[in-house]
Amino acid sequence: DTGVSQDPRHKITKRGQNVTFRCDPISEHNRLYWYRQTLGQGPEFLTYFQNEAQLEKSRLLSDRFSAERPKGSFSTLEIQRTEQGDSAMYLCASSLAFTRDRDKYNEQFFGPGTRLTVL
Amino acid sequence: AQRVTQPEKLLSVFKGAPVELKCNYSYSGSPELFWYVQYSRQRLQLLLRHISRESIKGFTADLNKGETSFHLKKPFAQEEDSAMYYCALSGRNTGNQFYFGTGTSLTVIP
Repeated sequence: DTGVSQDPRHKITKRGQNVTFRCDPISEHNRLYWYRQTLGQGPEFLTYFQNEAQLEKSRLLSDRFSAERPKGSFSTLEIQRTEQGDSAMYLCASSLAFTRDRDKYNEQFFGPGTRLTVL
Repeated sequence: AQRVTQPEKLLSVFKGAPVELKCNYSYSGSPELFWYVQYSRQRLQLLLRHISRESIKGFTADLNKGETSFHLKKPFAQEEDSAMYYCALSGRNTGNQFYFGTGTSLTVIP
């Protein structure tokens, strides 16, 4: 296991198209997070899963965004009818909840990100 | 509302000089505070968290609940410390969401 992976690394699309990103977390991690990051900003929380359950979703998240983690392993983030404002880096992170090691609890490991450009 | 503020976008120090990256937060209850670092062309990674009370790569950070701060400090900066640093907050009141600051870009001048 080489860490969190994301695919694709770059995506260029035209406004109005749908796009889907994939995240493969570290295998034993049961939490998976999606973030969006724009230039000059820190990562902005979008949503997170614990196993296959989507537990939290940002109130700022448009209905055009949907995420799934059907088997509690990999996750997909879909953006429908993309807009130019959706251009950003989309980051995925995974972590281990329910561990006795306090230092490892909820330490997030980030993927390399998917850079989306909407023309 | 939960918020993390990093007042400095850019910070430059000379090699061997002390460095302090500021982080202030807004949170009701007991927060979990973290510092994440992103070196050039690498992914974001955890540097330290307040519950560990460890020194990582010579960096320390103390949670000051009175001042709602979690400043990152290192007594003698090294060139390899040049990176982007993000302060982050989580906790039960956030539903395990993480809130990140806007980041501070640290440059250590040789």
